[in-house]
Amino acid sequence: DVKVTQSSRYLVKRTGEKVFLECVQDMDHENMFWYRQDPGLGLRLIYFSYDVKMKEKGDIPEGYSVSREKKERFSLILESASTNQTSMYLCASNLGTEQNIQYFGAGTRLSVL
Amino acid sequence: GEDVEQSLFLSVREGDSSVINCTYTDSSSTYLYWYKQEPGAGLQLLTYIFSNMDMKQDQRLTVLLNKKDKHLSLRIADTQTGDSAIYFCAERNDYKLSFGAGTTVTVRA
Repeated sequence: DVKVTQSSRYLVKRTGEKVFLECVQDMDHENMFWYRQDPGLGLRLIYFSYDVKMKEKGDIPEGYSVSREKKERFSLILESASTNQTSMYLCASNLGTEQNIQYFGAGTRLSVL
Repeated sequence: GEDVEQSLFLSVREGDSSVINCTYTDSSSTYLYWYKQEPGAGLQLLTYIFSNMDMKQDQRLTVLLNKKDKHLSLRIADTQTGDSAIYFCAERNDYKLSFGAGTTVTVRA
């Protein structure tokens, strides 16, 4: 079974802090994704990575950056956390096949105070 | 996602069928998906359908696709309390998936 692991289930941070959200997948997938999930808005893509050190902006990249130094690990970075970044963050990965099935982690619920 | 729309809530009695509807806008989407999210968990793929199919059945799940109207539905037969969750419709756009806002299904006894 594919396993996508997010390092924290819950995080509480203060405004202005630098925040790292970590995601690891164990299936040698090329592609990894970061989404945020907000009620009534569904999932919105923040960033996408299709290879080590490669990244593309998604629909809402402002205020975020990412890092992919190893194939299995994809990090989301909030350089200076703000209250409007309080949300559920979901990581996903896929193999890049035609079916494009994405496998998700359990999510990190981030609260910025 | 702005390109995929679904109603936000559905309440169904245990044992009845649930039908969750979704509309999408990209007629070139090759695959459409249904994901399920249980409380406190990530998204789990339930099923997907290729765009040249009208219907796909998998045990209690039936997916219907109307390409002309860009309408996708998920029917759950004999709905159980374990089916209470948020259901997301998604369409494939190149490498991305565009998700709807999710339909919260509540199963009442």
